[in-house]
Amino acid sequence: NAGVTQTPKFQVLKTGQSMTLQCAQDMNHEYMSWYRQDPGMGLRLIHYSVGAGITDQGEVPNGYNVSRSTTEDFPLRLLSAAPSQTSVYFCASSYSGTTYEQYFGPGTRLTVT
Amino acid sequence: SQKIEQNSEALNIQEGKTATLTCNYTNYSPAYLQWYRQDPGRGPVFLLLIRENEKEKRKERLKVTFDTTLKQSLFHITASQPADSATYLCALDPPRAGNMLTFGGGTRLMVKP
Repeated sequence: NAGVTQTPKFQVLKTGQSMTLQCAQDMNHEYMSWYRQDPGMGLRLIHYSVGAGITDQGEVPNGYNVSRSTTEDFPLRLLSAAPSQTSVYFCASSYSGTTYEQYFGPGTRLTVT
Repeated sequence: SQKIEQNSEALNIQEGKTATLTCNYTNYSPAYLQWYRQDPGRGPVFLLLIRENEKEKRKERLKVTFDTTLKQSLFHITASQPADSATYLCALDPPRAGNMLTFGGGTRLMVKP
């Protein structure tokens, strides 16, 4: 199993540009989530999904969109990039619910200039 | 909302000693708590989960305690090694079903030979 994969690994955007961060998992996990991590801060939840077709907002959802059309994929869309979205983004999945360990991807380092 | 406090300052210890990291939380009492390890440039990796009715849990050189009265979890690494150097994150379950974990800011551990 590849686990949780994320692409791209690095990305530089100009303010106002849009892009999609890709996340896929091959473990048949129901739960998937997106976090951002900034220096000196913990992981902050952006959006999450408890199954295909179901998504919900986390702590910092503004400026991001998600969809979950399949169990395997959970892309994160930046609608109009802003410098405040410069961060490292992690996708995670778990079997079912938060009593199970979260499997994290390797992360995407995004810089918005 | 839940507030989680971990020492933001790095913990420096000598090889062979026991490292003790602290995770304090406020507001509601979580039903369980998880600990993760994160190496630079990589996603967090699950280490241990402890439930509120478990005072202590062990895994090889790792030990976690959970004191719901003090609202605190301690994470111990015995016989520490330079390879244990990393950032350690604690995470709490959400206050309601269907939500996701809340992470602390992490504590960086440096084990010197």
